[in-house]
Amino acid sequence: GIQVEQSPPDLILQEGANSTLRCNFSDSVNNLQWFHQNPWGQLINLFYIPSGTKQNGRLSATTVATERYSLLYISSSQTTDSGVYFCAGVFGNEKLTFGTGTRLTIIP
Amino acid sequence: DTGVSQNPRHKITKRGQNVTFRCDPISEHNRLYWYRQTLGQGPEFLTYFQNEAQLEKSRLLSDRFSAERPKGSFSTLEIQRTEQGDSAMYLCASSPSHYEQYFGPGTRLTVT
Repeated sequence: GIQVEQSPPDLILQEGANSTLRCNFSDSVNNLQWFHQNPWGQLINLFYIPSGTKQNGRLSATTVATERYSLLYISSSQTTDSGVYFCAGVFGNEKLTFGTGTRLTIIP
Repeated sequence: DTGVSQNPRHKITKRGQNVTFRCDPISEHNRLYWYRQTLGQGPEFLTYFQNEAQLEKSRLLSDRFSAERPKGSFSTLEIQRTEQGDSAMYLCASSPSHYEQYFGPGTRLTVT
């Protein structure tokens, strides 16, 4: 079946540091989304990015569909960035297939 | 705010009881999805609707689970004869056609 792998699984950084989260997928992707899951479990939409590059404030994302990966960049990390980050893709049907997540901890 | 809403937010039930969850999608989104998330895992797809038609069901959706979306508006997910393994966060999402999915806050189910 389709595999979506995220790395690293855990990341601990000092406040102010930059980070790169990676998402590899095993098949051609129709849609790709990045989410931040807050401590209460809500999935917050960060990017809808089936291809190309987008930026939103301190966050940016790049998807290279032909090479089957996506990257999420977080610059000047803040403690409120802590949480679990998921990528998820739609592969030829309607459902999102999620990765295993990256748990980010920002230390003051 | 016109985001996806889910009720209840938390449900504690005894094994063997039936439970029902409700999801209200973003207005005019014709697609509605249910996912389940267990501790330490990413969400997994359960089922989805286009308007009132249920178009796909995961093998995770045993015969104790049923979902409906009457009139293509809100949706309900019912679990009959709950088991401890059903304990999870149940997430609902909606989207306007083949695009970005938006998630609700989830219903956390605990089966004792």
